[in-house]
Amino acid sequence: DGGITQSPKYLFRKEGQNVTLSCEQNLNHDAMYWYRQDPGQGLRLIYYSQIVNDFQKGDIAEGYSVSREKKESFPLTVTSAQKNPTAFYLCASSASPADTGELFFGEGSRLTVL
Amino acid sequence: QKEVEQNSGPLSVPEGAIASLNCTYSDRGSQSFFWYRQYSGKSPELIMFIYSNGDKEDGRFTAQLNKASQYVSLLIRDSQPSDSATYLCAVESTGRRALTFGSGTRLQVQP
Repeated sequence: DGGITQSPKYLFRKEGQNVTLSCEQNLNHDAMYWYRQDPGQGLRLIYYSQIVNDFQKGDIAEGYSVSREKKESFPLTVTSAQKNPTAFYLCASSASPADTGELFFGEGSRLTVL
Repeated sequence: QKEVEQNSGPLSVPEGAIASLNCTYSDRGSQSFFWYRQYSGKSPELIMFIYSNGDKEDGRFTAQLNKASQYVSLLIRDSQPSDSATYLCAVESTGRRALTFGSGTRLQVQP
């Protein structure tokens, strides 16, 4: 089955540690995105990538980093510089940069900082 | 920052009624508008999109767009308890190929 796989589903981190969230898609989509969702709130864009080896900052990129070395993979690293990282992280893809609105989401990764 | 505003709700309607969800946006140049549904603890899923002024119908759902007023709405006819979810309005802002989401409206359909 085609889709987006995010791992881990749940992650606990101590303050000061970097963590990397995995996002893999087998939909052959060109564009990939990372969003953050806090309780009772909508999605806020962290980073997005329209093509391999290229990515752009979203609205809340500070304290996060990404890479896009392969078309199917777009990992997100939450660094210790992110002041309030506890949140639900959603990875999404779209077939092409022109299809921005039709996003396919993974099941999400819930990060808790202890 | 370009914004998308929604009333957080909850909006409570009886089963069989029409639910009306509203959204305003600040970027006057936006051309594409989307409605996503998100069940509790799950990922969002696309249910409607609209690009032109006026109404667009798909089954029990109707999206309405008024670019002059910078206003998008979603009507759900014959609301069912299974429609109970958070509805997210999203806009493709000018200058970037990514969606800006509103905070969502929580809909509760009472049996």
